[in-house]
Amino acid sequence: GAGVSQSPSNKVTEKGKDVELRCDPISGHTALYWYRQSLGQGLEFLIYFQGNSAPDKSGLPSDRFSAERTGGSVSTLTIQRTQQEDSAVYLCASRREGPGYTFGSGTRLTVV
Amino acid sequence: AQKITQTQPGMFVQEKEAVTLDCTYDTSDQSYGLFWYKQPSSGEMIFLIYQGSYDEQNATEGRYSLNFQKARKSANLVISASQLGDSAMYFCAMRETSGSRLTFGEGTQLTVNP
Repeated sequence: GAGVSQSPSNKVTEKGKDVELRCDPISGHTALYWYRQSLGQGLEFLIYFQGNSAPDKSGLPSDRFSAERTGGSVSTLTIQRTQQEDSAVYLCASRREGPGYTFGSGTRLTVV
Repeated sequence: AQKITQTQPGMFVQEKEAVTLDCTYDTSDQSYGLFWYKQPSSGEMIFLIYQGSYDEQNATEGRYSLNFQKARKSANLVISASQLGDSAMYFCAMRETSGSRLTFGEGTQLTVNP
């Protein structure tokens, strides 16, 4: 597609449930990033995929968070046993090379 | 570790005037890139301008320019002739060439008054 697509755009879930957030990057972009933005805050790095290399998971806040990228394209961020502090906007970005990062519109997650 | 500091939580400017949004950074790398993004209330992140650490000229993109002072480790964004549509959150970010992730500042909320 023309841009980075994220789904769902909004997700409300009950505390303790698992959620999956999807990111469809720009075709041909080999790098994919997940960020989290809490209300009124900057973006916090979560995880980074580059081609077939092992992902950089250093930003994941706990072992309840995981992500995978299938076939070098679509990525899914999974949060298990959600907590209220997981409420945030989750942003995905992709990049081919150079400085051009393109962000999706994000998924707003609300844990009630 | 790299760090980005934006000291202005909020800024106000009159329409058609220029405004400078401050950004300082800290890195031990010699090679890095600096970015500015705009985030309107709709939430999307819009890329505005990029400056490489070895670029000798300050970057410019239309009404946006980046005042890059390497010795001071500052990368301020200058918006000329402000428009009402410029009202948004603005984020400064850095990428060290040794890595790939962007590190963001806390942002500055800009309000353009008519």
